[in-house]
Amino acid sequence: DADVTQTPRNRITKTGKRIMLECSQTKGHDRMYWYRQDPGLGLRLIYYSFDVKDINKGEISDGYSVSRQAQAKFSLSLESAIPNQTALYFCATSSSYSNQPQHFGDGTRLSIL
Amino acid sequence: SQQGEEDPQALSIQEGENATMNCSYKTSINNLQWYRQNSGRGLVHLILIRSNEREKHSGRLRVTLDTSKKSSSLLITASRAADTASYFCATDATDYKLSFGAGTTVTVRA
Repeated sequence: DADVTQTPRNRITKTGKRIMLECSQTKGHDRMYWYRQDPGLGLRLIYYSFDVKDINKGEISDGYSVSRQAQAKFSLSLESAIPNQTALYFCATSSSYSNQPQHFGDGTRLSIL
Repeated sequence: SQQGEEDPQALSIQEGENATMNCSYKTSINNLQWYRQNSGRGLVHLILIRSNEREKHSGRLRVTLDTSKKSSSLLITASRAADTASYFCATDATDYKLSFGAGTTVTVRA
């Protein structure tokens, strides 16, 4: 079983709909992240959380919100989806120790029509 | 904004050849990390090099870091078809947030 699981893997929806992407992890990590990947731009950080009660904005948080329901779960919501939010979304986790890598899920491919 | 920039954007090599890609960044870092992404999959961590290290090896991978030039290189020796992927450098500057470059797409021809 994957250590970092994202659901759904693919989603097609319409402009204006509310969408939730979910991430769960079995690595026991405190830190969780949501990224967006667009062609030619690499990964950009949307939100991150260092603990259950900790939520921080990344570089492109407008139009998104998150919820850290438990140490193992971190969900990303698009309250009213728009076409330029079409992208590949990744969840990642990391240990709270310094100089540690991040561990990624396989992503959610989101298309907004 | 992206901290790291990889060069070249794309690389095509014959199986058995070496592949080298470079990463430049702008600010001081705690460490620099390299990740691989196969088509349709998530990123997989390859190697982490700390700011006080100059070179690191892992199997067929060799990473160098030159903090004076704010640059790093990833060398893959004796490439295989399975090395076909996109490779990303990511810098960790202050508080464990990674900044990724746009990646280098490597194609290994049989």
